[in-house]
Amino acid sequence: GAGVSQSPSNKVTEKGKDVELRCDPISGHTALYWYRQRLGQGLEFLIYFQGNSAPDKSGLPSDRFSAERTGESVSTLTIQRTQQEDSAVYLCASSPQEGVSYEQYFGPGTRLTVT
Amino acid sequence: AQKVTQAQTEISVVEKEDVTLDCVYETRDTTYYLFWYKQPPSGELVFLIRRNSFDEQNEISGRYSWNFQKSTSSFNFTITASQVVDSAVYFCALSEAWYSGGGADGLTFGKGTHLIIQP
Repeated sequence: GAGVSQSPSNKVTEKGKDVELRCDPISGHTALYWYRQRLGQGLEFLIYFQGNSAPDKSGLPSDRFSAERTGESVSTLTIQRTQQEDSAVYLCASSPQEGVSYEQYFGPGTRLTVT
Repeated sequence: AQKVTQAQTEISVVEKEDVTLDCVYETRDTTYYLFWYKQPPSGELVFLIRRNSFDEQNEISGRYSWNFQKSTSSFNFTITASQVVDSAVYFCALSEAWYSGGGADGLTFGKGTHLIIQP
């Protein structure tokens, strides 16, 4: 079946502009996660959703970052007033259920470059 | 707080050699899960294995094997008879148990080991 998809695959934006990144999880997966991967680094957890609720937003690096999810479907990660340090690959993952024992299936990521 | 350390930033071996990728973790919990993911040049993370903290049996899957040792907080990954297609960045990750209060707060990843298999 279809995997996790993300769009756009690449985004170049000017400093100060807002960007919106989209994630389509695997159909039926209730849990959805966002991560950030800076160049040469591991993944940094940002936020997760159970359904359309986000119980844990502690990973969001600043109040310029926000995310929402419609039902158990699409999620968008919005970065306002982008800064150069926001440049990274943003990865989305989904999981059949909430819970730490389930493996997460990752999308291909969105490469964000802030100039 | 949980932490995952992959001390080897990059490893380069010649094809057919065996190679071991190290992973050391820190956690307060007695119940947790460990994962390995592969990130090939295409960028998409591929799940390799999940292991819970109560199962210390080593696992073998084809040329891949994993050695979990709670006594040393390590979860090492060995590729036997490496192939060029094994070239990728490999990540070790940790997740603490929900009911222990850690919450479903995503995976904690190590910084990854870049494995280069030379023909």
